[in-house]
Amino acid sequence: GAGVSQSPSNKVTEKGKDVELRCDPISGHTALYWYRQRLGQGLEFLIYFQGNSAPDKSGLPSDRFSAERTGESVSTLTIQRTQQEDSAVYLCASSLALGLAGGTDTQYFGPGTRLTVL
Amino acid sequence: GQQLNQSPQSMFIQEGEDVSMNCTSSSIFNTWLWYKQEPGEGPVLLIALYKAGELTSNGRLTAQFGITRKDSFLNISASIPSDVGIYFCAGRLGNTPLVFGKGTRLSVIA
Repeated sequence: GAGVSQSPSNKVTEKGKDVELRCDPISGHTALYWYRQRLGQGLEFLIYFQGNSAPDKSGLPSDRFSAERTGESVSTLTIQRTQQEDSAVYLCASSLALGLAGGTDTQYFGPGTRLTVL
Repeated sequence: GQQLNQSPQSMFIQEGEDVSMNCTSSSIFNTWLWYKQEPGEGPVLLIALYKAGELTSNGRLTAQFGITRKDSFLNISASIPSDVGIYFCAGRLGNTPLVFGKGTRLSVIA
C-alpha cells in the first residue's frame, strides 16, 4: 500500500528477551520517526532519522533501545533485554522532509506495533 | 520530553453538540497539526496550520493557529458517533521534530 507499514502488529515476549520492530515508510519520505505510546497516554518521541542519520538520540529511554535505518527506507527499532515497563504501542511515522514549510514535514503514521512484555 | 498542554483531557458529549479543544505551549511554533487516533490505529492527520492567525476547515472540523503562535484550537461541529477517538495536537518550530500534546479523549453519546 501507499501508507506507512509496521511489523509485527503485535508482539508478546518474555522479560529479558530482545525484540526488533520494523517500519516501512512511505516511498520517497526522507524523514522517519519513532514514538512510544503507553496505554491511555500521549505520544513519547524516541528518535528521528533524516535520511539514514539520527541526529539526536536523546529521546531513547535507555541504552537498551537502539534504532537504525538503511537505504533511506526501512527502519528497525531494537529493544534489548526487554522489561515490563517497555510494554506499549510503538508508532512509526514518516514525512517527505524535515524542517521545511509548506507541508513537507507533515508526519503520516503507521498502525503501530503493540509490544507486551510478560 | 517536552509536551504541550492540551485540554480538556476527556469529553463526554451528546450527538449533535459542538466540541472545542485547545493546546497551549510555552514557546512559539511555526507549525500546528491536529491528529485523530482511533483504537488500534495510528494517528491520522486532520488539519495542518502553518501561519499565525490561520483558520482552516476540513468538513465539520475547524482549527486555528493562534495569533501569539503559542496556541491552537480545534472545533468539531454537530458531532456524530464516528467522531469518537483521541485528538492530539502537535507543534514544532524550525528544524525540530513535532512535540505532541497528551490528547483529548472524545466520547459521543448517541
